Amino acid sequence: GNSVTQMEGPVTLSEEAFLTINCTYTATGYPSLFWYVQYPGEGLQLLLKATKADDKGSNKGFEATYRKETTSFHLEKGSVQVSDSAVYFCALKDSSASKIIFGSGTRLSIRP
Amino acid sequence: DTAVSQTPKYLVTQMGNDKSIKCEQNLGHDTMYWYKQDSKKFLKIMFSYNNKELIINETVPNRFSPKSPDKAHLNLHINSLELGDSAVYFCASSQDGTGNSPLHFGNGTRLTVT
Repeated sequence: GNSVTQMEGPVTLSEEAFLTINCTYTATGYPSLFWYVQYPGEGLQLLLKATKADDKGSNKGFEATYRKETTSFHLEKGSVQVSDSAVYFCALKDSSASKIIFGSGTRLSIRP
Repeated sequence: DTAVSQTPKYLVTQMGNDKSIKCEQNLGHDTMYWYKQDSKKFLKIMFSYNNKELIINETVPNRFSPKSPDKAHLNLHINSLELGDSAVYFCASSQDGTGNSPLHFGNGTRLTVT
């Protein structure tokens, strides 16, 4: 079945460090891929998405590139801020299904 | 101005009780969802309704019964609560039910069953 695997957290970095959160997926066909972010005490919100191979999604300094050859959608940011501290979820929507499947989430903590 | 609002924010109750969580969205979306997030942050879909009709019903005990009086509301009623029901429940909506439009989540209801 379809699934999403992302690196376990927590991930702790210093401010201005480079961030990578790994995400790989298993799906039939050509899924759409998403990153959602959950700030403390809030619901998830869409951060970025990519709908086909080699697409790059970007928002708020975050980027992720849809790599079909490695079935990956790693999240990156060049210089993190304390305000980026949150839980990040990788997700996919299979081309033949209507529901979105989430990974287990990666907690990110940024030290000042 | 809240797009997806759910009440209550916190719910503490005893085993065996029946409780409801309400959700409303003012985005004009056609599709609404209930998700359950466990203590390890794992998020799993429970139900999805499109224009008041059930379209996704995952393997959820029949103690959980969603009700959608109109497309702007999706309530969740839980009978005979069990300890394992303790979790954060999120309501969400999307423009359509294809999965291609982004999900808009409420802030969650933390349910604690004692």
